[in-house]
Amino acid sequence: AQSVTQPDIHITVSEGASLELRCNYSYGATPYLFWYVQSPGQGLQLLLKYFSGDTLVQGIKGFEAEFKRSQSSFNLRKPSVHWSDAAEYFCAVGAKEYGNKLVFGAGTILRVKS
Amino acid sequence: DAMVIQNPRYQVTQFGKPVTLSCSQTLNHNVMYWYQQKSSQAPKLLFHYYDKDFNNEADTPDNFQSRRPNTSFCFLDIRSPGLGDAAMYLCATSRDTDTQYFGPGTRLTVL
Repeated sequence: AQSVTQPDIHITVSEGASLELRCNYSYGATPYLFWYVQSPGQGLQLLLKYFSGDTLVQGIKGFEAEFKRSQSSFNLRKPSVHWSDAAEYFCAVGAKEYGNKLVFGAGTILRVKS
Repeated sequence: DAMVIQNPRYQVTQFGKPVTLSCSQTLNHNVMYWYQQKSSQAPKLLFHYYDKDFNNEADTPDNFQSRRPNTSFCFLDIRSPGLGDAAMYLCATSRDTDTQYFGPGTRLTVL
């Protein structure tokens, strides 16, 4: 069965420090990969996506992610975190073979300390 | 700007009283989804419309239904809300199996 694992429930980083949020998936098909961010009481905003091609993808707000097929991972990174980045981050996986269904990870809550 | 709009943003209903949540989109996407997200959990897909075709998830309770009268609008009907149905309800849209774009959500409280 398809699954997405975000091993870190909470992460706290200092403002200006670098950030890496981990995402691992188990999927029986060539995956489409997404990172969404959710601020409290809000919907999900798309940060970036990977469908094919260059395995390092750039997103909004200075985020990037790298698809590593050999490790079944799609980790999200940012070189310098801002206080406004505090939110919950969801990794999601889909595949054309599975139609429209996205499988979400459990989410990682990012706290930024000044 | 093209967007996904959900109304109302906050809805309070009484136990057992039917409630309808609304979603509209200006993206002209052919697929519309409804997700339920409980506190500190990932979104859970309830069902989606692919054009006019309704696709229900196997574990979605019968208490939840949906209508899509046209491309732009989709409604979520909860026939008899229970306390366990209190959650954030998220609408999303996509063009075919492409990226899903989410609305701001409706927070449902059941008293």
